[in-house]
Amino acid sequence: DIQMTQSPSTLSASVGDRVTITCRASQSTSTWLAWYQHKPGKAPKLLIYKASNLESGVPSRFSGSGSGTEFTLTISSLQPDDFATYYCQQYNTYSRTFGQGTKVEIK
Amino acid sequence: EVQLLESGGGLVQPGGSLRLSCAASGFTFSSYAMSWVRQAPGKGLEWVSGFSGNGGSTYYADSVKGRFTISRDNSKNTLYMQMNSLRAEDTAIYHCAKEPHDSGSFFFDHWGQGTLVTVAS
Repeated sequence: DIQMTQSPSTLSASVGDRVTITCRASQSTSTWLAWYQHKPGKAPKLLIYKASNLESGVPSRFSGSGSGTEFTLTISSLQPDDFATYYCQQYNTYSRTFGQGTKVEIK
Repeated sequence: EVQLLESGGGLVQPGGSLRLSCAASGFTFSSYAMSWVRQAPGKGLEWVSGFSGNGGSTYYADSVKGRFTISRDNSKNTLYMQMNSLRAEDTAIYHCAKEPHDSGSFFFDHWGQGTLVTVAS
């Protein structure tokens, strides 16, 4: 299976900050990569697919980039609703795998 | 509006069985692949099993192969997961997730809130 590693595991930030989360794959996934936001007790929410495509209805402050083995999720100006855990997921193979998650906390 | 509602979770002893259901609405269920994804306490997300829309192809993570069986009833818009020989490490919230196409390997564009399975004596 392709292993996905996110960094950092936890991130403390303030409202208005620019936030960047990195996801690295153990082998190339081309651009077959998605990002999700997950809050406790809620359904995970798709933010980005195919590395840089914004899902319909997702605010434009979220953006994704990268290809191959290195990807980033950027929140241009952190809002109160954005405090959550973020996961990357590769879908280059059917055995889809997720990163371990990055928790974005209030500073 | 797409809605996915899981049910069937609960407390079960090691070695026991449980069947999860996921009732889907708001889209043409038979046209889309569906998966189960779980989250163990304090851990990240893990894809468990998937089922293509109409083609009948099923896929499993190595961790559940031979113990879990995914199925779907397109006439009832419902996805199932039969879980046998349950282990403590199967304890998790199990989410039902919709994929954006009938087959292939994709991301998950809609998720349910999940149902909790606890395996303990």
